[in-house]
Amino acid sequence: GAGVSQSPRYKVAKRGQDVALRCDPISGHVSLFWYQQALGQGPEFLTYFQNEAQLDKSGLPSDRFFAERPEGSVSTLKIQRTQQEDSAVYLCASSYQSGGGTEAFFGQGTRLTVV
Amino acid sequence: KQEVTQIPAALSVPEGENLVLNCSFTDSAIYNLQWFRQDPGKGLTSLLLIQSSQREQTSGRLNASLDKSSGRSTLYIAASQPGDSATYLCAVRGGDYKLSFGAGTTVTVRA
Repeated sequence: GAGVSQSPRYKVAKRGQDVALRCDPISGHVSLFWYQQALGQGPEFLTYFQNEAQLDKSGLPSDRFFAERPEGSVSTLKIQRTQQEDSAVYLCASSYQSGGGTEAFFGQGTRLTVV
Repeated sequence: KQEVTQIPAALSVPEGENLVLNCSFTDSAIYNLQWFRQDPGKGLTSLLLIQSSQREQTSGRLNASLDKSSGRSTLYIAASQPGDSATYLCAVRGGDYKLSFGAGTTVTVRA
């Protein structure tokens, strides 16, 4: 695709509900990242995939958060039993190579509101 | 842990004035530094990427410098326009490939 695509753009969930956020990276991009951005803050790292392998999940806030990229392209971030503190914008980014020097391209984000 | 600081947090200038946005980081062992623009309710748009071996990058009215040894980068925007109003984020990529972000500088250009 032309850019990184995320869906849905907006999600309202009742506390305790499970949600799934989707990311379609740029075609052929090896690396995929998920970030969480609270209001007025910079994005914070959640997890990193190289193809289908999840190489780093150190930023996931709790075991309620789970991410997968089974075929090395589309990725899903799942949050179980959502809490109010999960309300944030979830951003996905992809890079062409796995090397550290490559440019990261971000999607429009999914704004999650837990009520 | 890499810490990224952006100063000032907010900036308001009249149209036509040059903008200077500052970014500092604590760990100089970086692969690259990227400047992003974020409009309200939107994602991040990449503006400039500076590799660790480079000193600066230019794109149109934008120029970014990098002094890796002192942990500083500056984004210059020449002849600002109201359309430049947005939040500008600085991010550094470290050896573990993560991007570490600052909190951003919110710019308002007054017509």
